[in-house]
Amino acid sequence: DAKTTQPPSMDCAEGRAANLPCNHSTISGNEYVYWYRQIHSQGPQYIIHGLKNNETNEMASLIITEDRKSSTLILPHATLRDTAVYYCIVRVDQAGTALIFGKGTTLSVSS
Amino acid sequence: DTAVSQTPKYLVTQMGNDKSIKCEQNLGHDTMYWYKQDSKKFLKIMFSYNNKELIINETVPNRFSPKSPDKAHLNLHINSLELGDSAVYFCASSPRQGTGELFFGEGSRLTVL
Repeated sequence: DAKTTQPPSMDCAEGRAANLPCNHSTISGNEYVYWYRQIHSQGPQYIIHGLKNNETNEMASLIITEDRKSSTLILPHATLRDTAVYYCIVRVDQAGTALIFGKGTTLSVSS
Repeated sequence: DTAVSQTPKYLVTQMGNDKSIKCEQNLGHDTMYWYKQDSKKFLKIMFSYNNKELIINETVPNRFSPKSPDKAHLNLHINSLELGDSAVYFCASSPRQGTGELFFGEGSRLTVL
């Protein structure tokens, strides 16, 4: 079962920042926060992950609150190609542990 | 170069038939997975192999049999296909056990008539 809560859908204007929230109030100290996305008819794509500190890569930034009970994925300048379902997943990085996907947030970027 | 490739991309077959989906990764990864995405778009883990050894086997009917001839390949064979097996099947790989950073293939859409 997914341990996260995400809004079912969000809209964003092209060129603006897309801020996707995720609640994970029962997260354990050794659980990471992972973000994936799935563009229509494609396989899921890894975006970013973090434990406690904020993280940034070429795709996005991940902001994790100090109590770790929620996080936000930020796409700084959304494009039409960022329209996708975004999944927030919490998990322990441990052998034998699967990546469990929830329902995610459908982000629609429009011009 | 496709990192994780699956064949076939589309498969239409009759109930009761047996079919296979092949997956190959050229990333040098040790761990491979099969996921199923049903019509409601839920992605569910089916199996995971590490260096040809089965490490995750979720509650999947035994009509589904994964086979890993080497660590670059993980094939999925399905016997006696049923209507409910219609789905998109995704293969994935990761560089080591335990990491949540997976690389997915493009999926194989199976339709059972």
